[in-house]
Amino acid sequence: GAVVSQHPSWVICKSGTSVKIECRSLDFQATTMFWYRQFPKQSLMLMATSNEGSKATYEQGVEKDKFLINHASLTLSTLTVTSAHPEDSSFYICSASQVQGGVEAFFGQGTRLTVV
Amino acid sequence: LAKTTQPISMDSYEGQEVNITCSHNNIATNDYITWYQQFPSQGPRFIIQGYKTKVTNEVASLFIPADRKSSTLSLPRVSLSDTAVYYCLVARKEGSSYKLIFGSGTRLLVRP
Repeated sequence: GAVVSQHPSWVICKSGTSVKIECRSLDFQATTMFWYRQFPKQSLMLMATSNEGSKATYEQGVEKDKFLINHASLTLSTLTVTSAHPEDSSFYICSASQVQGGVEAFFGQGTRLTVV
Repeated sequence: LAKTTQPISMDSYEGQEVNITCSHNNIATNDYITWYQQFPSQGPRFIIQGYKTKVTNEVASLFIPADRKSSTLSLPRVSLSDTAVYYCLVARKEGSSYKLIFGSGTRLLVRP
């Protein structure tokens, strides 16, 4: 099946700094990618929809100025956590679907962010 | 999107068949039903999708009644490695992609 890769797999940063997470579709093009956040023992929460060449669409309650999303090409979306704080520590996961490919979504392996 | 409700947890033993039922009473005409599996510290993995009746692939079967308000994922002869969280989702097309909203999921524990 199609592969979605996230980088880095884990990152530790100091409070107040910004962290960028990359999501790449390795063997297919994706006009839309999705970003999720998952806290321990909880389900995935959809944060935003990343649209290639246009602004991201954020879910209610997600601060767009804190979680900057850029989808500059058909194979790359980035999520930047700005001015990170310990409460932003979480597991961030992206997903992508093939253009006109149907229902199946392919998820990255996730990025574990720890803010100290 | 239609909210899904499924058991919080289930226990089983190796070699048994496991059936996880999910309700999605507010499913819309063009929505699809899809199931994902997630292991700790990994992204979810697609298992199966369906619209109505029965769908079978190499790992699972999906049963959907005519009213589509529920669905049942059937895992034949589970093994220890099937211990994971299983999510039932309703997929609705928005633009060129299907939007997935995750519910609470079912934690399946397979015992020896």
